[in-house]
Amino acid sequence: DQQVKQNSPSLSVQEGRISILNCDYTNSMFDYFLWYKKYPAEGPTFLISISSIKDKNEDGRFTVFLNKSAKHLSLHIVPSQPGDSAVYFCAASGKTSYDKVIFGPGTSLSVIP
Amino acid sequence: DVKVTQSSRYLVKRTGEKVFLECVQDMDHENMFWYRQDPGLGLRLIYFSYDVKMKEKGDIPEGYSVSREKKERFSLILESASTNQTSMYLCASSLPGQGSYEQYFGPGTRLTVT
Repeated sequence: DQQVKQNSPSLSVQEGRISILNCDYTNSMFDYFLWYKKYPAEGPTFLISISSIKDKNEDGRFTVFLNKSAKHLSLHIVPSQPGDSAVYFCAASGKTSYDKVIFGPGTSLSVIP
Repeated sequence: DVKVTQSSRYLVKRTGEKVFLECVQDMDHENMFWYRQDPGLGLRLIYFSYDVKMKEKGDIPEGYSVSREKKERFSLILESASTNQTSMYLCASSLPGQGSYEQYFGPGTRLTVT
């Protein structure tokens, strides 16, 4: 049973518009959430993270929102650019770095010029 | 810049062969990880290591073993390759300590077992 779910395998967005990638989790003990981005033939790269004590974290065009009561987080990309086309993985971990990081199945984002 | 390198980008092996996947990181990271990535399943943890000579099973260790004789190097071994081990294998490293959850990944090895 997947503890981190990304129910949309793919998403297409027009350049300049907002991309919203969603992620749900089941384990209430998760304390730290991350988003990774992966281009074909490359390893994932860290994008942005959020601690459970916050409900929002922003880094340039990327914002992650966390709703703990709903066990839901989302990544907003504004404005979307063609270079954002990639697979985005949501991930979660417990309170210590010795907790395993659990990855979701990924969402493939296509930004159309 | 953290760099994680993997010995091969593409590998084709026959069923029953012993396969070695090598990973080297140059940032003196204590933690190292091996994942496999499959469509619809995301990244699944095979093994990880928090220090030299130490290893811990991940979520799918069956059919795999690991070796960490030096801090910078973490090897994944497929004792007897099978077709269901055809996958993308990703190595990662990170610093220890709370908050250091960011893992740095290598480019991956696409393994095909025929």
